[in-house]
Amino acid sequence: GAGVSQSPSNKVTEKGKDVELRCDPISGHTALYWYRQSLGQGLEFLIYFQGNSAPDKSGLPSDRFSAERTGGSVSTLTIQRTQQEDSAVYLCASSPTGGATNEKLFFGSGTQLSVL
Amino acid sequence: SQKIEQNSEALNIQEGKTATLTCNYTNYSPAYLQWYRQDPGRGPVFLLLIRENEKEKRKERLKVTFDTTLKQSLFHITASQPADSATYLCALVAGTGRRALTFGSGTRLQVQP
Repeated sequence: GAGVSQSPSNKVTEKGKDVELRCDPISGHTALYWYRQSLGQGLEFLIYFQGNSAPDKSGLPSDRFSAERTGGSVSTLTIQRTQQEDSAVYLCASSPTGGATNEKLFFGSGTQLSVL
Repeated sequence: SQKIEQNSEALNIQEGKTATLTCNYTNYSPAYLQWYRQDPGRGPVFLLLIRENEKEKRKERLKVTFDTTLKQSLFHITASQPADSATYLCALVAGTGRRALTFGSGTRLQVQP
């Protein structure tokens, strides 16, 4: 596609429920990133996929969070047993290779998650 | 661990003036530093990248400097316009072997007409 696409754009859920957030990266981009942005805060790194390499999961805040990337394209971020502190905007980004520190990221518009 | 600091207070300036935003970092010497713009309800958009061996980089009304001794980058917008109002984030790759960008918390710029 023309850009990074995320769905849904908004998600309201009840505490304790599981949620799945989807990201479609730019076609051909091998690197994919998930970040979280709480209200008025900066971006918090969650997880990074690069090609067939093992993902860098060092930013996941707890074992309730997991992500997968199927076929080297679409990614799903899953949050189990959601808590109110999980409320934030979840941003996905992609880059052509992810193999160079000078590579710029292309972001989607994010999913606003609200946990009641 | 790597720490990136940007002024959390909003910067309010008059149209036509130069806006200067600061990004300070600690504990690591990045080879590159990037700047992004974020509008409300949108994801960040890449603006400029500067390399460690570059003192200054320009793109239209934007200028970025990179002082590896001070561990600081300055981001300037000359002849500012109300349309420049947004949050500006700096980012770098922190640590060796890790490729995900670490972002600062951003500085909100408000340009008054």
